[in-house]
Amino acid sequence: QSALTQPASVSGSPGQSITISCTGTSSDVGGYNYVSWYQQHPGKAPKLMIYDVSNRPSGVSNRFSGSKSGNTASLTISGLQAEDEADYYCSSYTSSSTLESVFGTGTKVTVL
Amino acid sequence: QITLKESGPTLVKPTQTLTLTCTFSGFSLSTSGVGVGWIRQPPGKALEWLALIYWDDDKRYSPSLKSRLTITKDTSKNQVVLTMTNMDPVDTATYYCALTYSSSWYVYWGQGTLVTVSS
Repeated sequence: QSALTQPASVSGSPGQSITISCTGTSSDVGGYNYVSWYQQHPGKAPKLMIYDVSNRPSGVSNRFSGSKSGNTASLTISGLQAEDEADYYCSSYTSSSTLESVFGTGTKVTVL
Repeated sequence: QITLKESGPTLVKPTQTLTLTCTFSGFSLSTSGVGVGWIRQPPGKALEWLALIYWDDDKRYSPSLKSRLTITKDTSKNQVVLTMTNMDPVDTATYYCALTYSSSWYVYWGQGTLVTVSS
């Protein structure tokens, strides 16, 4: 089972919008609406930002939104802020063997 | 308030068995739908899902590590234990335990514990 594919880095200026892609297969991203996204600041535990493709947990800014098309999911951050600079990981349920979840390769978001 | 905390050795030797304990509060692992999973992250690298145990004792493992992993729960102690045999330097990582209500996303995470494998 391979990790989901994400771009290594994405950058944007404050106030701009950026989109992070997450590409999988029909056995994970494409097969289920169970994609989630996590934000991780250096030295900290991951924080759930989006679940079930497009739902935001309580307390997460509405500047974060998720979507999916085919085998690719996306996380969009609008109105980029300095505090959004972090690593972002997607994850998906998978039907592959005994595996339950698979994570993405991670994307470093830089606020210019 | 829901909390999870990982504990265990910070240093293990190659070939040894690692035992990590996740002690949690604020929820019960006997409640339908609840699960506790383990995820690790080598220094500077991506997250890797390892294992998950459900309220009904159903267990899931990463196929690539299945032969080396065992996950168990002690509901009375509010603990989940992960054992990993035959440790290797490539297993050096921060190990996290996390709570899921859905099996596919983890809403609460522990702070993580760094385990170094070295002779």
